[in-house]
Amino acid sequence: GAVVSQHPSRVICKSGTSVKIECRSLDFQATTMFWYRQFPKQSLMLMATSNEGSKATYEQGVEKDKFLINHASLTLSTLTVTSAHPEDSSFYICSAIGFIFGGQKSSYNEQFFGPGTRLTVL
Amino acid sequence: AQTVTQSQPEMSVQEAETVTLSCTYDTSESDYYLFWYKQPPSRQMILVIRQEAYKQQNATENRFSVNFQKAAKSFSLKISDSQLGDAAMYFCAYRMGNNNDMRFGAGTRLTVKP
Repeated sequence: GAVVSQHPSRVICKSGTSVKIECRSLDFQATTMFWYRQFPKQSLMLMATSNEGSKATYEQGVEKDKFLINHASLTLSTLTVTSAHPEDSSFYICSAIGFIFGGQKSSYNEQFFGPGTRLTVL
Repeated sequence: AQTVTQSQPEMSVQEAETVTLSCTYDTSESDYYLFWYKQPPSRQMILVIRQEAYKQQNATENRFSVNFQKAAKSFSLKISDSQLGDAAMYFCAYRMGNNNDMRFGAGTRLTVKP
């Protein structure tokens, strides 16, 4: 199946610094990628939709100047947490839409999730 | 706005038994997809099963099956012959159309007792 990678898997940084998280589709081209945030024991909350070659669309309440998203190619989207603070500590998950060719079965678009990045801000 | 509700924060099942996880959703759309995802301690999201809204037949994947009640906007997951490896968080998710984001329910933590 399609694979989505994230790097780094874990990052610890000091308050006030910026952190970049990469999301890559390894064996397919993804015109659309999504960034989610998951607090402990909670669900995934969509932060933004990233489309290749255009500006990201942010969900209400998500600061676009704080969470910078760049989708410069069909296989890479990056999330930069600027001037990170302890309240930004969370688990960040990306997903990418890939096309599944089902042959005799129906073909469809499917979302593939990365393994996530745990950010800890001290 | 679309919402997904999972009313069972925790469920437990005896190994080899059957358990049903509940999910309801709210939408005014006609073209949408429903999913169940499993999130083990590794936090990797694993697709368990998907259902297209236009299909009347309930989706099945080996020991996993759904009861899709479109009029009632209900989408429950049945796990048969539960195994220890089934223990995880299970999220119900909704997606409008083919290329849009997913909206997740709050999740149900499933414990499997040996």
